[in-house]
Amino acid sequence: DQQVKQNSPSLSVQEGRISILNCDYTNSMFDYFLWYKKYPAEGPTFLISISSIKDKNEDGRFTVFLNKSAKHLSLHIVPSQPGDSAVYFCAALGAYSGGGADGLTFGKGTHLIIQP
Amino acid sequence: NAGVTQTPKFQVLKTGQSMTLQCAQDMNHNSMYWYRQDPGMGLRLIYYSASEGTTDKGEVPNGYNVSRLNKREFSLRLESAAPSQTSVYFCASSESRVGYGYTFGSGTRLTVV
Repeated sequence: DQQVKQNSPSLSVQEGRISILNCDYTNSMFDYFLWYKKYPAEGPTFLISISSIKDKNEDGRFTVFLNKSAKHLSLHIVPSQPGDSAVYFCAALGAYSGGGADGLTFGKGTHLIIQP
Repeated sequence: NAGVTQTPKFQVLKTGQSMTLQCAQDMNHNSMYWYRQDPGMGLRLIYYSASEGTTDKGEVPNGYNVSRLNKREFSLRLESAAPSQTSVYFCASSESRVGYGYTFGSGTRLTVV
């Protein structure tokens, strides 16, 4: 059973517009959420995170929103740039995550394509 | 550059062969992890080591063994490779459970024929 879900395998956005990537989770024990960005033939790189005690965290062009009641988080990228084209993974950390007692549980990823 | 180094980058094995994937980090992190990534499946945790001298199973440990050789190194062994183990393997390390997340290596692409 998937505990972290990214229901959009791909998303195409025009350069300069806002990109919104969504993620849902089912495990209420998750207490920390992270977004990773991955280019082909490279490992994932950390982008931004949010604790479950917050509902928003901002870092430059990237903002993550957390809605605990809906078990939903989203990543906003404004404005979108060509270099943002990559696969974005949502990940969650918690005492009973499916990845073991102390491992990240990942969603399947969303391939973001920024159109010029 | 500081980070996580994985070797080899590519490997082709025949069914039944064994091999060890190597991982080393130079950030003095306590925790290390092995993940596999399959198409459409995201990353799944195979094994992790919370600290030197300890290892624990993750979500998909069957067919693998690990060794935390010292604080820097964490290896993943396939004793008898199977086609189902064809995947991209990522090693990661972290200082603490939260914070800035994990640092990943660039991956090992393994094909079992």
